[in-house]
Amino acid sequence: DGGITQSPKYLFRKEGQNVTLSCEQNLNHDAMYWYRQDPGQGLRLIYYSQIVNDFQKGDIAEGYSVSREKKESFPLTVTSAQKNPTAFYLCASSIRTGRVQYFGPGTRLTVT
Amino acid sequence: AQSVTQPDIHITVSEGASLELRCNYSYGATPYLFWYVQSPGQGLQLLLKYFSGDTLVQGIKGFEAEFKRSQSSFNLRKPSVHWSDAAEYFCAVGVSFSGGYNKLIFGAGTRLAVHP
Repeated sequence: DGGITQSPKYLFRKEGQNVTLSCEQNLNHDAMYWYRQDPGQGLRLIYYSQIVNDFQKGDIAEGYSVSREKKESFPLTVTSAQKNPTAFYLCASSIRTGRVQYFGPGTRLTVT
Repeated sequence: AQSVTQPDIHITVSEGASLELRCNYSYGATPYLFWYVQSPGQGLQLLLKYFSGDTLVQGIKGFEAEFKRSQSSFNLRKPSVHWSDAAEYFCAVGVSFSGGYNKLIFGAGTRLAVHP
């Protein structure tokens, strides 16, 4: 079955710790994306990557970092510099110039 | 700047009733438009999309949407709602940049409740 997996589904961390969220896809898509979702605010783009070893900042990249060493994987690190890290994080992918993005099931991060 | 407005934060309908969710966008060029649905704690599922051509598009689960350029709208409709349609619905506009990068701009969402 082709799709996008995100792990874990729930993640809890103490303030001041970095945490890495996993995103893997087997759709053979070149482009991958990370979004943050907060209640009543829709989705906001954090980072995106069109090809391996290349990625660009989205609208709210401060306090986050990514890597793209493999086509299938696009992990997101939420650093201690992110002021309000508690949120629902969604990963998506598309073909490189594709208009349709397909989403994973999400990871809910809670930082206390 | 590009933006998407979903005027209704919450909507409640009775099962079997018709449904219309509103979406207005702001974009200078020809838009491509999407509706996604999200069940609680889940990812987003694509319901339908509009790129060009016929302004009435059909999607999955019996949904349809109509693109009206003059009103900058892309409203989602369903003639008869089922209890399983209770979810949050997001409208999005796609923006193209040089180099082939495509960005989605989302509305804040409309939460649909269905009464039995």
